[in-house]
Amino acid sequence: DAGVTQSPTHLIKTRGQQVTLRCSPKSGHDTVSWYQQALGQGPQFIFQYYEEEERQRGNFPDRFSGHQFPNYSSELNVNALLLGDSALYLCASSFEGALSYEQYFGPGTRLTVT
Amino acid sequence: AQTVTQSQPEMSVQEAETVTLSCTYDTSESDYYLFWYKQPPSRQMILVIRQEAYKQQNATENRFSVNFQKAAKSFSLKISDSQLGDAAMYFCAYRSFDSGGYQKVTFGTGTKLQVIP
Repeated sequence: DAGVTQSPTHLIKTRGQQVTLRCSPKSGHDTVSWYQQALGQGPQFIFQYYEEEERQRGNFPDRFSGHQFPNYSSELNVNALLLGDSALYLCASSFEGALSYEQYFGPGTRLTVT
Repeated sequence: AQTVTQSQPEMSVQEAETVTLSCTYDTSESDYYLFWYKQPPSRQMILVIRQEAYKQQNATENRFSVNFQKAAKSFSLKISDSQLGDAAMYFCAYRSFDSGGYQKVTFGTGTKLQVIP
């Protein structure tokens, strides 16, 4: 059973460009959350997708957007990249019906903006 | 808003010894979940242990156990018989519900654990 997968592993972009990160949830999971983790910090919640809709959002600008597909996989898009967007982007999946809301994390995508 | 505080940026422990990582949180809720996650240098975050707030018994998973003090809003992680593979960043996390009734998880800033051979 494959866990949460993310692609690409690393990405280097220039300021002002746009980027798309991808995530496939663990089998049986229907909810995907995205986090931004700056170096030496804890993950910061970006948004969560369930039933192909964004239902929660953290304190991130509209430059950050996403999508969830019918197979529960998800994309994170960031427009007009800033240097401060350089971080590790983590995807976490979970099952909506689970009481404990245990999240399983992917290995992350390291985004560097130059 | 819920906050999670880890006051120890770095800790070290001798191999085979015991270490305790601290975590405090702020909440007005009565029912919630707390988690400790481990993030090794390879980056993948792994759930170490979870605690349900309504359960008085402290959770235990092999060498990992917690000291959950609900009134004090404290949730520390004890690692016994430390092994080299325990070296990692450890994050304390709190599960809450937002105004829409949806679950969200708030993480602390992490504690970097070094295991000395």
